[in-house]
Amino acid sequence: KNQVEQSPQSLIILEGKNCTLQCNYTVSPFSNLRWYKQDTGRGPVSLTIMTFSENTKSNGRYTATLDADTKQSSLHITASQLSDSASYICVGFTGGGNKLTFGTGTQLKVEL
Amino acid sequence: EPEVTQTPSHQVTQMGQEVILRCVPISNHLYFYWYRQILGQKVEFLVSFYNNEISEKSEIFDDQFSVERPDGSNFTLKIRSTKLEDSAMYFCASIKQGASGSPLHFGNGTRLTVT
Repeated sequence: KNQVEQSPQSLIILEGKNCTLQCNYTVSPFSNLRWYKQDTGRGPVSLTIMTFSENTKSNGRYTATLDADTKQSSLHITASQLSDSASYICVGFTGGGNKLTFGTGTQLKVEL
Repeated sequence: EPEVTQTPSHQVTQMGQEVILRCVPISNHLYFYWYRQILGQKVEFLVSFYNNEISEKSEIFDDQFSVERPDGSNFTLKIRSTKLEDSAMYFCASIKQGASGSPLHFGNGTRLTVT
């Protein structure tokens, strides 16, 4: 069964600080690993998409890493801003059927 | 930038009633999805739709659920006889055909409350 697990479940950091969110996945057949940002009451918005051959990918202050051997991914947020407060969801994408398996998300709160 | 739109944003219905949730996917996208998210829980796959038929569905998507693309523009999710446990956010999403490296575009959801 496809599964995606994330840690921590929630995180509070001060504005300007960095943080790293973790994701372990078991997705087969694996196509790619995605990170989404979900603001409260809104739909998820794509941050990064990484295939098994990609180790790292950046999108502004967001940098995702992928280790296909250990089936782990991380999302690093640099110089956090108040607007970064959201749920960050790790998602495994399977080929053939284009199906997503969602993690439970990490709820990030950035405070002054 | 084109976006997926969903209506209504909030629907309140009584148990046993039928509801139809509506979505307008991005115009050049060919794969469509419905997901749901119960409050405080993770997003769950319901169904995928391609070429006017269901391509995959989850165990959540039982006989009470159906999807339709009636006019080539709208993509609807119908729940025939709602239950209290159907209360959730329902998200529609779309993606280009064969573009597995492209992001799935989500709408902002319909919050369904069954009383």
